[in-house]
Amino acid sequence: DAGITQSPRYKITETGRQVTLMCHQTWSHSYMFWYRQDLGHGLRLIYYSAAADITDKGEVPDGYVVSRSKTENFPLTLESATRSQTSVYFCASSEIRAGGNTIYFGEGSWLTVV
Amino acid sequence: QQQVKQSPQSLIVQKGGISIINCAYENTAFDYFPWYQQFPGKGPALLIAIRPDVSEKKEGRFTISFNKSAKQFSLHIMDSQPGDSATYFCAASLPTGGGNKLTFGTGTQLKVEL
Repeated sequence: DAGITQSPRYKITETGRQVTLMCHQTWSHSYMFWYRQDLGHGLRLIYYSAAADITDKGEVPDGYVVSRSKTENFPLTLESATRSQTSVYFCASSEIRAGGNTIYFGEGSWLTVV
Repeated sequence: QQQVKQSPQSLIVQKGGISIINCAYENTAFDYFPWYQQFPGKGPALLIAIRPDVSEKKEGRFTISFNKSAKQFSLHIMDSQPGDSATYFCAASLPTGGGNKLTFGTGTQLKVEL
């Protein structure tokens, strides 16, 4: 039961470089999400997707691009990395169920932009 | 605009004591209130959740108290153990048509001392 797999787990990149964080889920969940976690801000939603080829902006989408050509994959791209994008990034997925929608998180990708 | 406010930011409790974390929300359309637990180096995981039609939900040593009129909810950890040391996030989501998204509080770092 692999669940959600994120890669790379750790990445150091330079300002201005393009970086892609990968996310793969094995549950065939409809919904997938990208959150970033920063001290003092908790978890903030970057982008989410309700199904393949359907994506929408979250709370902090600027500087990020997503795509979802297959249900199981939801990559996040930083087009031109900035120091303010140094963060821990969590991919998540969920399925709508009666009684509440449990969101399952991956183990995170630690990104440092120097 | 922070829609879910969480306090305290950090908490130290003696083993066997009661840990209490509070959250307040602004959007009365929220209809699902989960708590997530996060250990260092891991992604958040669902701990317990409540819907606003009940005032309390208990699962083992963990209890959510919900006050709809005050727009507040809290997590109580009874008989706190060192293994409970983690970061706790409260969250809230809109009904299904709202996109299945969670809005998180800023987190509480709990340390349970021997």
